[in-house]
Amino acid sequence: EAGVAQSPRYKIIEKRQSVAFWCNPISGHATLYWYQQILGQGPKLLIQFQNNGVVDDSQLPKDRFSAERLKGVDSTLKIQPAKLEDSAVYLCASSLPSLRGDSYEQYFGPGTRLTVT
Amino acid sequence: AQTVTQSQPEMSVQEAETVTLSCTYDTSENNYYLFWYKQPPSRQMILVIRQEAYKQQNATENRFSVNFQKAAKSFSLKISDSQLGDTAMYFCAVRGGATNKLIFGTGTLLAVQP
Repeated sequence: EAGVAQSPRYKIIEKRQSVAFWCNPISGHATLYWYQQILGQGPKLLIQFQNNGVVDDSQLPKDRFSAERLKGVDSTLKIQPAKLEDSAVYLCASSLPSLRGDSYEQYFGPGTRLTVT
Repeated sequence: AQTVTQSQPEMSVQEAETVTLSCTYDTSENNYYLFWYKQPPSRQMILVIRQEAYKQQNATENRFSVNFQKAAKSFSLKISDSQLGDTAMYFCAVRGGATNKLIFGTGTLLAVQP
């Protein structure tokens, strides 16, 4: 079974530029998550999709970050314009439908390391 | 709100020995799950072990086991017969609530010495 795919693996941009990350979840996984992991910290959830609908985006900086999941499969996370503090690893994960009370495992991709200079 | 605290930023253990990583958490949920994830230098998060809060029996997975103390809100990970491949960051996480999102601790960097 193929895992969660992410691209690119690395990206270096200057502040105020824009950047986009792509994620392809495991086939059949309706729930998709984007996490931000700043160096020295644990991952923090940015946004959670169930199919193509947003379940939780309470910690997404909506003035500069946006995400979409067209057709309920692939997803794109965009930052525009980037700031120095956006330097982090961006992890994508997927799972079977996430409903209250379930314990479906989240499977993580390899992440994209973003450096903003 | 849910929080996870890992008070050991770094730990070291000799190969073949046993090590315990500490984790405490706070949640107001009655139904929740606890996890330990491993993150090697490749950055991919790998699930090590999970515990359902309603189960009293501690979870075990081969060399990995947990000590779940619900009243104390403590969830420690014991690694037996440590191997060089166990070298990684280890994150404790809690999951529960309406959206079932994972809340991670700050991690413990474990180094297994030959």
